[in-house]
Amino acid sequence: NAGVMQNPRHLVRRRGQEARLRCSPMKGHSHVYWYRQLPEEGLKFMVYLQKENIIDESGMPKERFSAEFPKEGPSILRIQQVVRGDSAAYFCASSPRTPITNNEQFFGPGTRLTVL
Amino acid sequence: QKEVEQNSGPLSVPEGAIASLNCTYSDRVSQSFFWYRQYSGKSPELIMSIYSNGDKEDGRFTAQLNKASQYVSLLIRDSQPSDSATYLCALVGAGNMLTFGGGTRLMVKP
Repeated sequence: NAGVMQNPRHLVRRRGQEARLRCSPMKGHSHVYWYRQLPEEGLKFMVYLQKENIIDESGMPKERFSAEFPKEGPSILRIQQVVRGDSAAYFCASSPRTPITNNEQFFGPGTRLTVL
Repeated sequence: QKEVEQNSGPLSVPEGAIASLNCTYSDRVSQSFFWYRQYSGKSPELIMSIYSNGDKEDGRFTAQLNKASQYVSLLIRDSQPSDSATYLCALVGAGNMLTFGGGTRLMVKP
């Protein structure tokens, strides 16, 4: 029973380039969440998606960041024109369902983005 | 005021002792509470979930929830050096996203 999968595990980009981070949820899970952990800081929610729908993107910066979870394939977090402040660990989590109670989320290994 | 507060530590306990980790929260609507363990450079690992007032035990771990006092704790009995990690308290409030505390770093000394 494979867990949440993320790739790449490490990603190096130069300022101004694009970063694409991928997440495949656990089997049977239809809810995907992206979190960011800046160096020496806590985990912060970015976006919550279900298949073909963005449910809540209140934690995502308004510019340069976008996310999708297509009908087929993994969820993708896209960062355009990266800046050094984007350097962080990006974690994806998945859960099987709503409602809010009993909503255990399981995390993938993360993608560590370094912007040079 | 932060939504979820934890003492950053480090909390240092000797091997075999009980480690007590505490967390307070401000959102009275919250219904679901979680403890995650995160080793340095790794992803958070879910170790306990609790939804009702009282205690919940799982092996060496006991989670305690007091909604009236807005307080969640995690007790680790017979602490081992391998328990040394950062422990993250999290809750689900409005919406389905997790709100995390800053974490408490636990050090178990042999």
